[in-house]
This record gives sequence, C-alpha cells and structure tokens, in this order.
Amino acid sequence: GQQVMQIPQYQHVQEGEDFTTYCNSSTTLSNIQWYKQRPGGHPVFLIQLVKSGEVKKQKRLTFQFGEAKKNSSLHITATQTTDVGTYFCARSYNTDKLIFGTGTRLQVFP
Amino acid sequence: EAQVTQNPRYLITVTGKKLTVTCSQNMNHEYMSWYRQDPGLGLRQIYYSMNVEVTDKGDVPEGYKVSRKEKRNFPLILESPSPNQTSLYFCASTSKGEKLFFGSGTQLSVL
Repeated sequence: GQQVMQIPQYQHVQEGEDFTTYCNSSTTLSNIQWYKQRPGGHPVFLIQLVKSGEVKKQKRLTFQFGEAKKNSSLHITATQTTDVGTYFCARSYNTDKLIFGTGTRLQVFP
Repeated sequence: EAQVTQNPRYLITVTGKKLTVTCSQNMNHEYMSWYRQDPGLGLRQIYYSMNVEVTDKGDVPEGYKVSRKEKRNFPLILESPSPNQTSLYFCASTSKGEKLFFGSGTQLSVL
C-alpha cells in the first residue's frame, strides 16, 4: 500500500520531442512531490501537488495530480539536453515519511 | 547559504571496518533522513529523525545506526559494513511537510 509505481523506467527521446513520466498508487495520496536528479547530482525538489485535479506548470514542465489523487504525471514539452536526468515522484506516508518512486531516467539525444 | 553537507563524498572500505558518514544542515530543520540509492530501486529510506533524540527506522535499516544528539547533525554509522551496503547514500532534511533538501551524496564501496 505504501509503494508508488513509476513508469517508464527509462525513456530516450530526440531533442524537441515530448516526454511524460507517470506515478501510480493503489491508495489515495495526501500529496505528491516531484524531484529531478541530474547525472552525478542529488535530487532537487521541483514541485508539490496537493489538490485533486491540480495542474501546475513550470516553463516547459506540466505537473498533474489525478482527480482521485491516486496518480500523477510530469510532462515535458519539447525536451532539451538540459532535461537529462532522473525524475522521481514521492508520496507522504504517515505524515513523517516520504516514499519515493523508482524514478524515470530521461536521456535526450541532440 | 542553506545547505545539507555530507562527508565524505567518496569512500572505499573493507568488510567489517566501522565507518561513519556525517551529515549536517544549517536550516534549523527538525526532520532529517538517510536514503540509499541503487540502480532500479530508486531512493529507499534507511532511518529518519523527527527531532533531537528521536529516530526511527525506514524501509531498509538493517546494518545501519544513526544518532541525533544535536538538531543540525545526523550521522550514519555502519558498525560492520558488508559488500551489499555498497551504494550511493543521501542525507536530507526538511521542515515537516515541506520539500526535502538533499546533500551531495556519498558513494560508498565496501570490498
């Protein structure tokens, strides 16, 4: 019940193509956070979603929280080589733990 | 500058030789946590601490110890490291419910 499934595990795209990663939970989530980890770096917070059906945008990144609060997605429009990295979703559990998804590694070919 | 500082950045050791990875944060955060990152498994929580003298097990605590004697420090101790503890380790901190700030990571190899 705690786990967050994240797909795909890997994604290779040509620069300029779009990219989407998905997080799915079997239980209702109180909130979901997204992080980006560049190669050789550490995870960096991107955004937190709290409300059912919430959509937030950061430049070319669009984050969605499902209506039932059981899934979330991160969509990147027109990928650039600077988007390379691993994207993690994370859910709160018991108010004091953050459970991470397995991550989606994005590779962008110029 | 707000940051989480981990040391060392890289560590190679041998089986059974006790080691400590230090973690310090300067943001007065109550919550601190240790994660290990392995290919295909994402970030798994080892231990976490809600405040001074309060620690609790995460998902993969076996073989690890922590302490929280001061608010800013949260060291990770491997009393008798084994090869299956070879991994990339991250310390993180936050104020409750907010975003996690991560340290730069410690790449540990146990031979």
